[in-house]
Amino acid sequence: QKEVEQDPGPLSVPEGAIVSLNCTYSNSAFQYFMWYRQYSRKGPELLMYTYSSGNKEDGRFTAQVDKSSKYISLFIRDSQPSDSATYLCAMSDHTGNQFYFGTGTSLTVIP
Amino acid sequence: NAGVTQTPKFRVLKTGQSMTLLCAQDMNHEYMYWYRQDPGMGLRLIHYSVGEGTTAKGEVPDGYNVSRLKKQNFLLGLESAAPSQTSVYFCASTKDRVYGYTFGSGTRLTVV
Repeated sequence: QKEVEQDPGPLSVPEGAIVSLNCTYSNSAFQYFMWYRQYSRKGPELLMYTYSSGNKEDGRFTAQVDKSSKYISLFIRDSQPSDSATYLCAMSDHTGNQFYFGTGTSLTVIP
Repeated sequence: NAGVTQTPKFRVLKTGQSMTLLCAQDMNHEYMYWYRQDPGMGLRLIHYSVGEGTTAKGEVPDGYNVSRLKKQNFLLGLESAAPSQTSVYFCASTKDRVYGYTFGSGTRLTVV
């Protein structure tokens, strides 16, 4: 069983839609959670990071962590064509020595 | 400010050949990492370094070696390349591990 599971999609939505991206994990020791965005043939870029449970908002992006369910989410409001990319979740225990990445969800926002 | 620079960007190797991938960062980051990215497997950690002169194994270290002789550079070596090492390799660095990484643009390696 993989440490982190992520639906690969692809996910296609119209411009302006609310997008929900999700990851599940099996290791209850995970405390640090991150979301990265990766454009085609580029390196991942950090979108958001959160610690433990709760919500964090940054502009059109909201990250949620539910440790009791071992489930994290990234919501994108008012999605734009420029949001078309692959979104990766990543998580680590308290040491931060190794982050485990999901396989990524491919998102296309149609104008 | 270049961030994280990886060289080369592309390379084709024959089975058994050796090569070194170079990662350079100009952000004075302590922590540096080498990942490989394969379809359906996600990013997997090969080796990492928590400071100059240190290295440690990650999830998939076999067939690779690393060195961190200078703080700004992290080298990944393949001593005898195998087709299973065909992948996209990413280097990353960070000042504080829990606040996320800065990734390079990747090296696409094909072993034939």
